[in-house]
Amino acid sequence: DGGITQSPKYLFRKEGQNVTLSCEQNLNHDAMYWYRQDPGQGLRLIYYSQIVNDFQKGDIAEGYSVSREKKESFPLTVTSAQKNPTAFYLCASSIGDRNNEQFFGPGTRLTVL
Amino acid sequence: ILNVEQSPQSLHVQEGDSTNFTCSFPSSNFYALHWYRWETAKSPEALFVMTLNGDEKKKGRISATLNTKEGYSYLYIKGSQPEDSATYLCAFSGGYQKVTFGTGTKLQVIP
Repeated sequence: DGGITQSPKYLFRKEGQNVTLSCEQNLNHDAMYWYRQDPGQGLRLIYYSQIVNDFQKGDIAEGYSVSREKKESFPLTVTSAQKNPTAFYLCASSIGDRNNEQFFGPGTRLTVL
Repeated sequence: ILNVEQSPQSLHVQEGDSTNFTCSFPSSNFYALHWYRWETAKSPEALFVMTLNGDEKKKGRISATLNTKEGYSYLYIKGSQPEDSATYLCAFSGGYQKVTFGTGTKLQVIP
């Protein structure tokens, strides 16, 4: 089945540690996105990538880093510089053009203790 | 950061009632307006992607309209059912290769 997967579903880390969230898609989509959701807020864009080996900052990129070495994979690293990392993180992909619908993964809930 | 607003923030309706929500977005540099449904414990799923002023889309009991000149879109649900309970998100594509989401309208349909 084609789809987009994120792992793990729940993640706990100590303050000051970097952590990497996985996102994989087998939909052959060119574009991939990372969003963050906090209570009472909409999805806020962290980073996006339109093509392999290229990515752009979204609205809240500070304290995060990404890589796009393969079309299928777009991992997100939450660094110790991110001041408030506890949140729900969603990964999405689309065919490529911003006019195309996005397909979302199940999300990862990160809790920093 | 672009301003995409949705109203109301939350809504309770009785089963069988029809309802509608609003999404407001910038009227300049418009490329597309997306609607998504996000049910609890699931991933958001696309309902519609609308690109032309005056667009009307329909999927079953759910329909949407688009006015790009004044910067708004309406989502309508006819004869609401409990399974329609979800958060409905709109998202605006402007002059950038990214999509900006609104905060959503949380719909609860009471049986």
